[in-house]
Amino acid sequence: EVQLVESGGDLVQPGGSLTLSCAASGFTFNTHWMSWVRQAPGEGLEWVATIKQDGSQKFYMDSVKGRFTISRDNAQNTLFLQMDSLRAEDTAVYYCGRGAGWWDVWGQGTMATVSS
Amino acid sequence: QSALTQPASVSGSPGQSITISCTGTSSDVGSYNYVSWYQQHPGKVPKLMIYDVSQRPSGVSIRFSGSKSGNTASLTISGLQAEDEADYYCNSFSTSSTRYVFGPGTKVTV
Repeated sequence: EVQLVESGGDLVQPGGSLTLSCAASGFTFNTHWMSWVRQAPGEGLEWVATIKQDGSQKFYMDSVKGRFTISRDNAQNTLFLQMDSLRAEDTAVYYCGRGAGWWDVWGQGTMATVSS
Repeated sequence: QSALTQPASVSGSPGQSITISCTGTSSDVGSYNYVSWYQQHPGKVPKLMIYDVSQRPSGVSIRFSGSKSGNTASLTISGLQAEDEADYYCNSFSTSSTRYVFGPGTKVTV
């Protein structure tokens, strides 16, 4: 079964850091672009970041550039999102998705809450 | 504020057809056939319904179809069913600083 499972969401204070993980299974992970998409409570979907199969290309939304880092470990079939200098507006469910531009497999999401 | 615009809500009766619009610019929808649509039921994970403007993934009902004209993409749901009641989001590749832009979402009521 093709599956993505996120973890790492937590409550963190403004200015803090958090690392999200996404474990992939059921497909050849290293042949797919991978992305993070987030959804703030009661709001719509928002693309966050995308990484190429070999990690050689990475793209970010403007508001997270310089604060978030997307990476992957193809040996462990895992996608990561390192989030630093977190702000209240980063509070959201973070989904990992398979693909770039369209996402055909989604994880169940992990909640990151930034609050004092 | 989303770069793409969608109607906040669309409603229809069972069996009817409805169309959801997604209007962008020449920097996104108008210049690239990289428009996708997602269905999201409350508290659930988004589901890909259409990609590359009009392609339907395996397993998605043929009642769902996509098209594009100029800067506006559309999702049509024919033979509306109660289970189609959900939020629908469009997405497009963009040459703006935001590489992939979502619309604000449209709530479909059956």
